[in-house]
Amino acid sequence: QVQLVESGGGLVKPGGSLRLSCASSGFTFSDYYMSWIRQAPTKGLEWLSYISSSGTAIYYADSVKGRFSISRDNAKNSLYLQMNSLRAEDTAVYYCARRRGSSSYYFDYWGQGTLVTVSS
Amino acid sequence: SYELTQPPSVSVSPGQTASITCSGDKLGDKYACWYQQTPGQSPVLVIYQDTKRPSGIPERFSGSNSGNTATLTISGTQAMDEADYYCQVSDSSTGGVFGGGTKLTVL
Repeated sequence: QVQLVESGGGLVKPGGSLRLSCASSGFTFSDYYMSWIRQAPTKGLEWLSYISSSGTAIYYADSVKGRFSISRDNAKNSLYLQMNSLRAEDTAVYYCARRRGSSSYYFDYWGQGTLVTVSS
Repeated sequence: SYELTQPPSVSVSPGQTASITCSGDKLGDKYACWYQQTPGQSPVLVIYQDTKRPSGIPERFSGSNSGNTATLTISGTQAMDEADYYCQVSDSSTGGVFGGGTKLTVL
């Protein structure tokens, strides 16, 4: 069965950095686009970024462009999110999700999420 | 940037039909999908490409999309359906877009 397991969350000071990981299993990771999505406490879902199956196509939401960087290692079946210049408003649960569809896409499997707290 | 608007809350009696709307400019020209999220859990896809149900999603969940509005319909609503529901589309200029979410209360 498809499994996505995020890790790397924690408490970080404003301006700091953090790297999230998402380990996948149960499917051929290298065949799929992947995404990061976050949810601030008591708030809705916010799409952040996607990366193509080969890693050559990447797209970011304006809210994180220039600060966050998505990457993947198909040999390790893993997805990553490097987060720099973190702000209090980046506090959220971060989910990795498998993307389906091409120009019109959706997310068919989600991880359990990892909590990032940005606070001094 | 593209925006999707959902009502903050919808209430329904057990066994009745719940309808949750999602509005956006020319939304019917895009494919919409819906996620269910119960407290403390990750979102679960319940409808994709406007009307399709993933394997394991009960038949009481259905979707439609036309004009400026997509609708998630839950027929014969059960207490277990009480959750937050999010619509989502993808847009070439802004990437993935989620609605603000609707809290469905079954009472």
